[in-house]
Amino acid sequence: SQQGEEDPQALSIQEGENATMNCSYKTSINNLQWYRQNSGRGLVHLILIRSNEREKHSGRLRVTLDTSKKSSSLLITASRAADTASYFCATASNTGFQKLVFGTGTRLLVSP
Amino acid sequence: GAGVSQSPRYKVAKRGQDVALRCDPISGHVSLFWYQQALGQGPEFLTYFQNEAQLDKSGLPSDRFFAERPEGSVSTLKIQRTQQEDSAVYLCASSLRLSNEQFFGPGTRLTVL
Repeated sequence: SQQGEEDPQALSIQEGENATMNCSYKTSINNLQWYRQNSGRGLVHLILIRSNEREKHSGRLRVTLDTSKKSSSLLITASRAADTASYFCATASNTGFQKLVFGTGTRLLVSP
Repeated sequence: GAGVSQSPRYKVAKRGQDVALRCDPISGHVSLFWYQQALGQGPEFLTYFQNEAQLDKSGLPSDRFFAERPEGSVSTLKIQRTQQEDSAVYLCASSLRLSNEQFFGPGTRLTVL
């Protein structure tokens, strides 16, 4: 079963605008990861944030993590048409191996 | 290779047929995962290998699903007597031991008629 929910389910914006996606999860985690999936393609790893971190940046991406609320957000700044994809959060628990539990995904459409 | 590869990319099976899906992980990656992704959903964990050892198969939906990695490299996911509900994209991922980042293959889209 899915770990949690992503919000919104779908997001449509114009190029240059910022896109914010939220993820909520249910259990204690070791880390949380964000992935991108283009239509018909595999998943591409974007960024990983550990449970003891609160914010992380990578290029135009900014991820926050609030373990007290069991939530995370992904911000894409200055969006481009090429950012159009589905975005998934995935959590890894504190068990000995790194099985990922994915959210339901946000479908982002960036229009030129 | 440069990344995780999977074959075939597309598979159409008649209900009741057996299928075998192949995953070639990144060379040197110890951990290998299989996930199932239904249309419009996020991937769901099926099974995990560390080298040739299958350490977790709790996500396999039924005993018709079987996975192996006999030499600790290539893995095969086999589905016996396929059913329509098995239609999905099957994703393989690999990672370095003790690394948290998983590298995904393009997936195999299975359609059971």
